[in-house]
Amino acid sequence: NAGVTQTPKFQVLKTGQSMTLQCAQDMNHEYMSWYRQDPGMGLRLIHYSVGAGITDQGEVPNGYNVSRSTTEDFPLRLLSAAPSQTSVYFCASSSVHRTTDQPQHFGDGTRLSIL
Amino acid sequence: AQTVTQSQPEMSVQEAETVTLSCTYDTSESDYYLFWYKQPPSRQMILVIRQEAYKQQNATENRFSVNFQKAAKSFSLKISDSQLGDAAMYFCAYRGILFQGAQKLVFGQGTRLTINP
Repeated sequence: NAGVTQTPKFQVLKTGQSMTLQCAQDMNHEYMSWYRQDPGMGLRLIHYSVGAGITDQGEVPNGYNVSRSTTEDFPLRLLSAAPSQTSVYFCASSSVHRTTDQPQHFGDGTRLSIL
Repeated sequence: AQTVTQSQPEMSVQEAETVTLSCTYDTSESDYYLFWYKQPPSRQMILVIRQEAYKQQNATENRFSVNFQKAAKSFSLKISDSQLGDAAMYFCAYRGILFQGAQKLVFGQGTRLTINP
């Protein structure tokens, strides 16, 4: 059971380049999300999805796009990378139950540097 | 909007001693979940402990326990008999009741815990 897989683990981009961070889960989870982690600010929600074909914005969505064409995959796209997007990115997934809390599973993160 | 505040950027403790990490939060909701996550240098996010707001009893997981004060909106983590493997960044997190399946977490800034041998 692979859990949540993020690729790549590290990436260096130049300002203005585009890139897609991949996230895949094999647990048939309905809910998937992307966070960015910056020093002194914890993790902040970028975008999330409650199922295939459904996405919504989180706290810091500007500069990022997402789509959810399958249950398994939730890619995060940077259309024109900026130095302010230098961060560590985490993908997380969980199942959804109407009345009980379900644990969230995190990927190992992608460290992205924008020069 | 909900906010979570960890006022201790860094803490240190001697091995085998007890340390308490502080967390306060702000919300207008009456029902929610609170969490402590551990992030070691490997960058993994590991769930340490979880508290349901409607439960008055403080959650406990082995050497980890919380002091949940709902009226004060405080949620501290106590680590007893500290071990070298406890050294990590610790994040406090909040999640409101489920709304259309959206399980959004709001994180604090983190506290870096050092264990001195």
